[in-house]
Amino acid sequence: NAGVTQTPKFRVLKTGQSMTLLCAQDMNHEYMYWYRQDPGMGLRLIHYSVGEGTTAKGEVPDGYNVSRLKKQNFLLGLESAAPSQTSVYFCASHTGVSSEQYFGPGTRLTVT
Amino acid sequence: AQSVTQPDIHITVSEGASLELRCNYSYGATPYLFWYVQSPGQGLQLLLKYFSGDTLVQGIKGFEAEFKRSQSSFNLRKPSVHWSDAAEYFCAVGGTGFQKLVFGTGTRLLVSP
Repeated sequence: NAGVTQTPKFRVLKTGQSMTLLCAQDMNHEYMYWYRQDPGMGLRLIHYSVGEGTTAKGEVPDGYNVSRLKKQNFLLGLESAAPSQTSVYFCASHTGVSSEQYFGPGTRLTVT
Repeated sequence: AQSVTQPDIHITVSEGASLELRCNYSYGATPYLFWYVQSPGQGLQLLLKYFSGDTLVQGIKGFEAEFKRSQSSFNLRKPSVHWSDAAEYFCAVGGTGFQKLVFGTGTRLLVSP
């Protein structure tokens, strides 16, 4: 079991560029989440999904879009990157039964 | 609304000394409570969790936490800190089933020789 994996690990973008972050889990979890982590602010929920084909907004969704076409994958898109989106992004998943969330290793994104 | 407060941004503890990290939460129903640890450049690892039952829960790496409903607290403790415990610690609160976890802002633990 690889658990939760994230691609890429690092990325530098220029303002206005777009990119997609990929999260994959091999634990057959229903629920998946995207968080961003900023110094002094903990983790904040961007978007989440309660199952294949469903997504919903979290606490800080502006500037991001997501898709969950396959149960094991949860994609986070930035259509037009802004410096305020410089952050570390974490994906997480869980079954809903145990309620423990399993986290990926993170993606460090810098927008210049 | 759910919220988690970790009042200490940084804590420095001597190696071998005891540790207590504070966590206070606000939640409208019976909370599920978690402590996660994050080493530099790494993801979050679950230390322990409280769902119900015994209010003193044991976790990995010798950590424990006590749920005190009357004080809305879930403090993390360790009797003897090791240098490898230096990391950032996050407290989180959520509910049953589908859960949107709310995280505290974290406490960075420094361990001095």
